[in-house]
Amino acid sequence: AQKITQTQPGMFVQEKEAVTLDCTYDTSDPSYGLFWYKQPSSGEMIFLIYQGSYDQQNATEGRYSLNFQKARKSANLVISASQLGDSAMYFCAMRERSGGSYIPTFGRGTSLIVHP
Amino acid sequence: DVKVTQSSRYLVKRTGEKVFLECVQDMDHENMFWYRQDPGLGLRLIYFSYDVKMKEKGDIPEGYSVSREKKERFSLILESASTNQTSMYLCASSLPIGQPSSYEQYFGPGTRLTVT
Repeated sequence: AQKITQTQPGMFVQEKEAVTLDCTYDTSDPSYGLFWYKQPSSGEMIFLIYQGSYDQQNATEGRYSLNFQKARKSANLVISASQLGDSAMYFCAMRERSGGSYIPTFGRGTSLIVHP
Repeated sequence: DVKVTQSSRYLVKRTGEKVFLECVQDMDHENMFWYRQDPGLGLRLIYFSYDVKMKEKGDIPEGYSVSREKKERFSLILESASTNQTSMYLCASSLPIGQPSSYEQYFGPGTRLTVT
């Protein structure tokens, strides 16, 4: 079973609108973390946002917010006021403890295209 | 700024060759990681290291080995390259557990390896 599931291979959004990218996860580790990365066509991986499993409030970073619903094991990324530069692949990831380390696991990604 | 560099952006090798992919980070990070990225599969962890001379298998270690003789350098080795190892290889580094922002991984630009 996949630990991180991104069910949307591709998403389209109109410029200036908000968009939600879905992510569900599966873990038995009570102390885990969830994060999102953006990968534009240039290939670089850009860290966007992080949410710890014990954080009470949803994480926000500028136009990015993480809608964390612990009981549903979901960690959706919300991008407000989309811009053309937001067109990219987006990866949801989780880190969970394994032995003495935290091991990251990435989802398969969602390709977002922002239309003018 | 943290910088993670990889020895080559593009590499073409023949089946059966021994291939070395080098990764160097300049921020004294303890943790280093090697991933491969394939379309539709996201990033998959090959190996990681949390200290010099320490290594741990990730999800897909078969056909690969690693070396970490110095803290700043983490090498991925393909002992006998095969065509199914044609992929994008990404290196990353991070601080150890317990340090601020230890959840954030810093990625290199990637090496696109083609095995013919």
